[in-house]
Amino acid sequence: DVKVTQSSRYLVKRTGEKVFLECVQDMDHENMFWYRQDPGLGLRLIYFSYDVKMKEKGDIPEGYSVSREKKERFSLILESASTNQTSMYLCASSFLRESTDTQYFGPGTRLTVL
Amino acid sequence: DQQVKQNSPSLSVQEGRISILNCDYTNSMFDYFLWYKKYPAEGPTFLISISSIKDKNEDGRFTVFLNKSAKHLSLHIVPSQPGDSAVYFCAATTNSGGSNYKLTFGKGTLLTVNP
Repeated sequence: DVKVTQSSRYLVKRTGEKVFLECVQDMDHENMFWYRQDPGLGLRLIYFSYDVKMKEKGDIPEGYSVSREKKERFSLILESASTNQTSMYLCASSFLRESTDTQYFGPGTRLTVL
Repeated sequence: DQQVKQNSPSLSVQEGRISILNCDYTNSMFDYFLWYKKYPAEGPTFLISISSIKDKNEDGRFTVFLNKSAKHLSLHIVPSQPGDSAVYFCAATTNSGGSNYKLTFGKGTLLTVNP
């Protein structure tokens, strides 16, 4: 079974703090993705990576950065958290470098920025 | 610009009846479509997909229909069960290769199946 784990289920941070969200997959997947899910807006892609040290901007990259130093780990960084970044953050991975390949999602991190 | 639209935020059906969830898209480059299902406090899980070379794909109780001329797809669940109650996301992508591995998701439809 594919397993995608995220470091925290719930996180509360203050405005201006630097926030790290970690994601690990155990199936040697090539691609990893970070989304945020907001009510009425669905899933929106923040960043994705198709190889170690590679990253591509998604639809809403502003205010975020990412790091992929190892194949199994993909980190999302909020350099200076703001209240509008309060959201559910979902990490996903897929095996093949094909957009049609199934994405496997982690359980999500509910981030609240006060 | 919303390229994948799920215009019904919610749908309520009776157990045993058919559930029909709809999805429209605007980008004519999309040629592969997926449905994901999400329970509260869990990540989405893949449900079923369809390529634009087909107009129907079936997997057990779940069938996806694609109408390319109308840029419309629908997910049918027959018979609906209370365990099907979840948010359903429609997603689309282009199977064109290159470095575009992204999916574009709709806003989701909350399905409630009443016992």
